[in-house]
Amino acid sequence: GAVVSQHPSWVICKSGTSVKIECRSLDFQATTMFWYRQFPKQSLMLMATSNEGSKATYEQGVEKDKFLINHASLTLSTLTVTSAHPEDSSFYICSAIWRAAGNTIYFGEGSWLTVV
Amino acid sequence: AQSVTQLDSQVPVFEEAPVELRCNYSSSVSVYLFWYVQYPNQGLQLLLKYLSGSTLVKGINGFEAEFNKSQTSFHLRKPSVHISDTAEYFCAVSSATSGTYKYIFGTGTRLKVLA
Repeated sequence: GAVVSQHPSWVICKSGTSVKIECRSLDFQATTMFWYRQFPKQSLMLMATSNEGSKATYEQGVEKDKFLINHASLTLSTLTVTSAHPEDSSFYICSAIWRAAGNTIYFGEGSWLTVV
Repeated sequence: AQSVTQLDSQVPVFEEAPVELRCNYSSSVSVYLFWYVQYPNQGLQLLLKYLSGSTLVKGINGFEAEFNKSQTSFHLRKPSVHISDTAEYFCAVSSATSGTYKYIFGTGTRLKVLA
């Protein structure tokens, strides 16, 4: 079964509103999680590294004020897309490191965001 | 900087035929290598990984890959494919020295298994 869960799987929001996507590690504590976005038929692009108890580390070109990441607990990281626009529509995927399992990285099922 | 190249964007193959999906990487440091599969509208599932040791790595669903350091390749193979193997396959690399576990993904190869 899944060890990393994302919620919601699908979300539609109006342009200008904010939407939050959750990423949970179900069977382990994850001090480090990652957020990716994937456009249709394209590869995954790393957006940021989410660190429990500290600020996220964003990749070059990713707006940290637009994509707010909070990693408030050892099993939960959230990605909030603020003031969403249609060009933010994408598939967002998180992953988490299970250190006790040989530092294996597990991916969530992904979340489809459509901004209308 | 690291990069991953998957030369084939699409690979059609008949059921029960063998298949090879190519992956080449570039890196100035030691790397870990991974193959993931993505079914439509789903997340990524780890097929196999190379961290160290034997260069021939066996994964789930009958897949295997061979790490070739001199050719900087990590090609994925399966001797006999099934219809259910139709999916997108991603090769990924991460630095073995930085400890950051940041993955760089290739552009993906769409495997289409034909009946």
